[in-house]
Amino acid sequence: GAGVSQTPSNKVTEKGKYVELRCDPISGHTALYWYRQSLGQGPEFLIYFQGTGAADDSGLPNDRFFAVRPEGSVSTLKIQRTERGDSAVYLCASSLAGTGDEQFFGPGTRLTVL
Amino acid sequence: QKEVEQDPGPLSVPEGAIVSLNCTYSNSAFQYFMWYRQYSRKGPELLMYTYSSGNKEDGRFTAQVDKSSKYISLFIRDSQPSDSATYLCAMSRHSSASKIIFGSGTRLSIRP
Repeated sequence: GAGVSQTPSNKVTEKGKYVELRCDPISGHTALYWYRQSLGQGPEFLIYFQGTGAADDSGLPNDRFFAVRPEGSVSTLKIQRTERGDSAVYLCASSLAGTGDEQFFGPGTRLTVL
Repeated sequence: QKEVEQDPGPLSVPEGAIVSLNCTYSNSAFQYFMWYRQYSRKGPELLMYTYSSGNKEDGRFTAQVDKSSKYISLFIRDSQPSDSATYLCAMSRHSSASKIIFGSGTRLSIRP
């Protein structure tokens, strides 16, 4: 079946602009995660959704970052007033129920802020 | 100090060699330990998952956890060129689906 998909695969924007990154999880997966991976680093946890609600948003770096999952499926990560330090690969993962289940990762969105 | 430390490599070995990858960690609350493989321009994929101390074997891969030393290892036997990738250790306090803390990854290259 289809895996986790993310769009766009690449996004180039200018400093100060607003961006939205989309994640389509595996069908039927109730848990969804966002991570950020900088060059030469491992993924860094941002936020975890169980259904429509954010169960843990402790990894969001500041209030410029926000994520939603209004219908418990597709999620959008929103970044306001982008900064050059936001440049990274943003990874989305989903798991079946959220406890003891493997997280399946998408290919990521490569964000470049000029 | 990072919670999880991993040698970034790169590590280059000939085909057929045994590969040893390692991580150390500082938080004794970690209970679940994982190894992910990440190919270039792809997301990580779970290779091995262990709970607490001990060994786990799956084909050519063996994961070891030593909680007393806060040290985990991944061994790859009979390494193949297709094993060339970045290997990420990861750990969490509760289960594999909770918040995961990743190491920085080791780039591995298997020479034919």
